[in-house]
Amino acid sequence: GQQLNQSPQSMFIQEGEDVSMNCTSSSIFNTWLWYKQDPGEGPVLLIALYKAGELTSNGRLTAQFGITRKDSFLNISASIPSDVGIYFCAGQLRTNAGKSTFGDGTTLTVKP
Amino acid sequence: GAVVSQHPSWVICKSGTSVKIECRSLDFQATTMFWYRQFPKQSLMLMATSNEGSKATYEQGVEKDKFLINHASLTLSTLTVTSAHPEDSSFYICSARDPASLGYTFGSGTRLTVV
Repeated sequence: GQQLNQSPQSMFIQEGEDVSMNCTSSSIFNTWLWYKQDPGEGPVLLIALYKAGELTSNGRLTAQFGITRKDSFLNISASIPSDVGIYFCAGQLRTNAGKSTFGDGTTLTVKP
Repeated sequence: GAVVSQHPSWVICKSGTSVKIECRSLDFQATTMFWYRQFPKQSLMLMATSNEGSKATYEQGVEKDKFLINHASLTLSTLTVTSAHPEDSSFYICSARDPASLGYTFGSGTRLTVV
């Protein structure tokens, strides 16, 4: 099946710094999703992207759907301590009944 | 927004017993729900797609007789882990599609520990 490569695996940054993470796939997706998961909780949707080239913001978060449909990135600007968590990308195919394929996650640590 | 309630949030059971996990869509109807499994420090792996009024669709490698899924109503899907073993200990999460936003909402997960 399809696999997503998410990088980096982990990041240690200082509060106030910007963060960038990305996902690549060997095949195309119709939808790219970015989630944040806190320990012991289910993932929470941050941004959904439905069109190639789409650039969408949600507060300090910005994500883009790559032109080739095989990649996406998520940027977090001016990080704060509550940004700590695991960020997952996920791809969906219209033909795959809404199933999501998840990346391996990026663990973000923000030092005050 | 759409809310998916998952219960229990954690459970400890003895080997050989069965455990039922419930997933409810609180303010919308969900004809399809998804069940995922997540091991520590790993990603979410789709186990099965739960379809209201019909049989669930299982992913390759997932034993349907061990992980029984019932989607008896438009707001409730249940996952029963039968004859649980310690290797079944994991974090189980469900999700459902909100027809209003077309987004997928996750439950808060169930931490299963089999001793």
